[in-house]
Amino acid sequence: AQSVAQPEDQVNVAEGNPLTVKCTYSVSGNPYLFWYVQYPNRGLQFLLKYITGDNLVKGSYGFEAEFNKSQTSFHLKKPSALVSDSALYFCAVRDDSNYQLIWGAGTKLIIKP
Amino acid sequence: DTAVSQTPKYLVTQMGNDKSIKCEQNLGHDTMYWYKQDSKKFLKIMFSYNNKELIINETVPNRFSPKSPDKAHLNLHINSLELGDSAVYFCASSRGHANTGELFFGEGSRLTVL
Repeated sequence: AQSVAQPEDQVNVAEGNPLTVKCTYSVSGNPYLFWYVQYPNRGLQFLLKYITGDNLVKGSYGFEAEFNKSQTSFHLKKPSALVSDSALYFCAVRDDSNYQLIWGAGTKLIIKP
Repeated sequence: DTAVSQTPKYLVTQMGNDKSIKCEQNLGHDTMYWYKQDSKKFLKIMFSYNNKELIINETVPNRFSPKSPDKAHLNLHINSLELGDSAVYFCASSRGHANTGELFFGEGSRLTVL
């Protein structure tokens, strides 16, 4: 069965430090992977996607994600965290049977000044 | 201009009532969705329409009835509301239904059933 997992409910990082939000997936074919961010009381916003090509994908707000096929991971990273990055982050993978997105449970990112 | 707009933003109602949420997108997209986000922030797709045709209908009680009068609008009507229907409902749209690109979400409609 196709699935996506975000193993951390919450990640705490000091401002200025690098951050990583983890995501692992399980799909039968080539994965279509996405990261979205949700600020409090707002809708989700697209950050980046991996479909094919370079394993390092760059996205909005200085975020990037590294696709690792052998580890079936797609971790979200940023070299230097900002307090304004504090939000809920969702990883998603496309279900090849119906093309719908399967969503992770979300990871709350807290950046402390 | 807001790309995907939903109304109302907040709904508070009694059990047993019927309510509707409206959604409009001005992006020219072919595909629209309704998602439900529960109190634990889990996100679950409910329905997907492509060019006014229903293409995804997940396991949702038939008290929930979507309607797409044209490809820019997707409304959600809920009959006989129950306590468990309390959630935030998000409308979204995308260029196509293959989910190779970005989903654009509305700001959400928070439904509270008392």
